[in-house]
Amino acid sequence: AQKITQTQPGMFVQEKEAVTLDCTYDTSDQSYGLFWYKQPSSGEMIFLIYQGSYDEQNATEGRYSLNFQKARKSANLVISASQLGDSAMYFCAMNTGNQFYFGTGTSLTVIP
Amino acid sequence: DVKVTQSSRYLVKRTGEKVFLECVQDMDHENMFWYRQDPGLGLRLIYFSYDVKMKEKGDIPEGYSVSREKKERFSLILESASTNQTSMYLCASSFGRTLVETQYFGPGTRLLVL
Repeated sequence: AQKITQTQPGMFVQEKEAVTLDCTYDTSDQSYGLFWYKQPSSGEMIFLIYQGSYDEQNATEGRYSLNFQKARKSANLVISASQLGDSAMYFCAMNTGNQFYFGTGTSLTVIP
Repeated sequence: DVKVTQSSRYLVKRTGEKVFLECVQDMDHENMFWYRQDPGLGLRLIYFSYDVKMKEKGDIPEGYSVSREKKERFSLILESASTNQTSMYLCASSFGRTLVETQYFGPGTRLLVL
């Protein structure tokens, strides 16, 4: 069975500090892709970052980095230097080629 | 930029009504998806399509049907709306089926069934 688990329903972070959003996944496939999306209160899902299962280096996109630990099947999102505009829901997702699987999301609130 | 549009941002319907949610993408994507999003449950896949006139059931297809007569358009149909179908509906599209393909989402439709 394919599954994405996000254990943090809500997180708070002080502005300008870093925050880690947890994601673990479960798959028997050897090849898969891992994604993070941001959903502001407006509702639209915004793609943030991608990590392939065979990528040896952790993906980075600006202030976003993905801490990929394949043996632990975890793909945590790290946001550095948090900004007020980072307040949103964040979803971890896995693509096995046939289907996308999403976690239940983490609500991040950045405190001024 | 990829653009995925949905026909309505907000929709209020009555129980038993037939409801059409339209989704259009402008990037010639092969694949299109319909999800519903509920608090604490994340995104759940209703139906998807990898080609024109092709459809596949997702995890929660009951009470829904879809139509894909043209490549750019994917419609979600609630044959007889019920209050438990009150939800946020998200349409998405992607170019291919490789692992690197991200999905591009529309703005969502918040449906309230009274």
